[in-house]
Amino acid sequence: AQKITQTQPGMFVQEKEAVTLDCTYDTSDQSYGLFWYKQPSSGEMIFLIYQGSYDEQNATEGRYSLNFQKARKSANLVISASQLGDSAMYFCAMIPYSSASKIIFGSGTRLSIRP
Amino acid sequence: EAQVTQNPRYLITVTGKKLTVTCSQNMNHEYMSWYRQDPGLGLRQIYYSMNVEVTDKGDVPEGYKVSRKEKRNFPLILESPSPNQTSLYFCASSLFGGSTDTQYFGPGTRLTVL
Repeated sequence: AQKITQTQPGMFVQEKEAVTLDCTYDTSDQSYGLFWYKQPSSGEMIFLIYQGSYDEQNATEGRYSLNFQKARKSANLVISASQLGDSAMYFCAMIPYSSASKIIFGSGTRLSIRP
Repeated sequence: EAQVTQNPRYLITVTGKKLTVTCSQNMNHEYMSWYRQDPGLGLRQIYYSMNVEVTDKGDVPEGYKVSRKEKRNFPLILESPSPNQTSLYFCASSLFGGSTDTQYFGPGTRLTVL
């Protein structure tokens, strides 16, 4: 079964600290894409970062980095120097090659940044 | 600015009154898709389109119609809305719909059917 698991329903982090959001995935495909999205309380779904299954280096985008451990099937999002504006729901997602017409989302982690 | 737009952003309607939610993208993407997001159920795909005039059902197509007459537009039609279609709807697009293509989402449409 193709699945994304996010085991942290909610997290509280102090402003300026780094935070890691966990994501594990399950697929038998060799080729797949992994994505992280942010959904603030206003509701929009904002793309943050992408990692391809064949990429050897971890993806980085500004304060976001993706800790990709292929053998463990994990794709954790790391946010450095968290800011109040980082408070939101965060979704890990996957598009397997065999069913590329649909993106598979995890259940999300609600991140709250304390001032 | 590259974006996916949806209209309306908010809509309250009554059971049975036909409505259309428009979706447009300016990135020349081949692939477009509609999702609905419900608490506890996550995002579920309604319909998708790999190209103009090519559409296919997702996981929850019942009660919805779509059309893709032009590359940039992918409207979602509810012929006879019912309260169980109250949801947050997202349109998304990507270059070719492949596993390495990022899907970009519109701002969402909050629909309430009374």
